[in-house]
Amino acid sequence: SYVLTQPPSVSVAPGQTARITCGGNNIGSQSVHWYQQKPGQAPVVVVYVDTSRPSGIPERFSGSNSGNTATLTISRVEAGDEADYWCQVYDTHTDHYVFGPGTKVTVL
Amino acid sequence: QITLRESGPTLVKPTQTLTLTCSFSGFSLESTGVGVGWIRQPPGQALEWLALIYWNDDKRYSPSLKNRLSISKDTSRNRVVLTMTNMDSVDTATYFCARDGGLGTWFDPWGLGTLVVVSS
Repeated sequence: SYVLTQPPSVSVAPGQTARITCGGNNIGSQSVHWYQQKPGQAPVVVVYVDTSRPSGIPERFSGSNSGNTATLTISRVEAGDEADYWCQVYDTHTDHYVFGPGTKVTVL
Repeated sequence: QITLRESGPTLVKPTQTLTLTCSFSGFSLESTGVGVGWIRQPPGQALEWLALIYWNDDKRYSPSLKNRLSISKDTSRNRVVLTMTNMDSVDTATYFCARDGGLGTWFDPWGLGTLVVVSS
């Protein structure tokens, strides 16, 4: 089955840029989706299909995907961005959904 | 506005069967490409996809749990039901349902989730 990797944690100072990676074999050929989950809440999609942003999600959230790594970038980080972030793909070879292990973003 | 809500028991005993219901509004599970899935999250742990049912009654299951899972839909009542057999303490988790609007894409939106504890 398809396996995704993420760093367990990322720390960033307010106003700086956070980059969260999601690794997978030739992930650049897949569509990657990113979710933000705050404590006690359900996940919310912040980027879908690699680079698209749902309405209501700040432009500070952006995504890229190439080769074996997809990246969620949070620019001008704010305290409210502190959360767990999950990447997800739909593995078309198996018709299964796969989530990454998650990254906890801490705003210093 | 699309909403989903999970319901079911908060406590089940080991070896019992868990039945969860996802009640939704704001969309139809008869629309081409639409699916409703279940995802769980043990306390402090990662998200794990469990199952999904599509508008055409096609079903997908997590390979690690497929022998224990069954998903069904009641389109007229806008509900999706998940059953999981032979529950164990490791199945203690918050169970979410969510909509996949694009034939195998991403989940949006999600229900609030329901915590299920497995304990004797």
